[in-house]
Amino acid sequence: DTAVSQTPKYLVTQMGNDKSIKCEQNLGHDTMYWYKQDSKKFLKIMFSYNNKELIINETVPNRFSPKSPDKAHLNLHINSLELGDSAVYFCASSRQGQGNTEAFFGQGTRLTVV
Amino acid sequence: DAKTTQPPSMDCAEGRAANLPCNHSTISGNEYVYWYRQIHSQGPQYIIHGLKNNETNEMASLIITEDRKSSTLILPHATLRDTAVYYCIVRIYAGGTSYGKLTFGQGTILTVHP
Repeated sequence: DTAVSQTPKYLVTQMGNDKSIKCEQNLGHDTMYWYKQDSKKFLKIMFSYNNKELIINETVPNRFSPKSPDKAHLNLHINSLELGDSAVYFCASSRQGQGNTEAFFGQGTRLTVV
Repeated sequence: DAKTTQPPSMDCAEGRAANLPCNHSTISGNEYVYWYRQIHSQGPQYIIHGLKNNETNEMASLIITEDRKSSTLILPHATLRDTAVYYCIVRIYAGGTSYGKLTFGQGTILTVHP
């Protein structure tokens, strides 16, 4: 029973293409995130959604458009892919409020733009 | 979120305790210390968190100094599977505008050897 699942795990595509990465969590959490880990292994938050509402947008280019159809899903669509978009993208989820609010991460999607 | 400082790498013998230090001298009163780790090619994994008291769970212990300016993560009996990058993160517990945002630094690469 995977808590946070991302598809696909690997994605190789050409510059200029449009691609999507899907994320689903079965933990009943109300907040979901996208993080990017670049080639130097720095992990940085991109977006956060709480109850389907965008909460955090860390100055990500508008070629990146997250979509949250419901609380359990947060998809990432990327237009006009560039070489610099090559990275590992991690989806995560957590619960807001009192109690343990640890974040659970997916296994990552390795995007390679050629 | 307060900045943290960790050594870039550490070694530990299998079966021995691994003590990973973290400095967070600018931590505020309402900020917690969180530890996550990232095993190669996987998503980050929550380990433990604390405010000012020492904490222990099935994975590790967290020792926070009385002035809260530093902490130590202790893996009591390190195994080869504990080889990973360990991140010390300081943030507000939950809610507010951060909504659980995690700011990752470079972390400490812990290598457990036989």
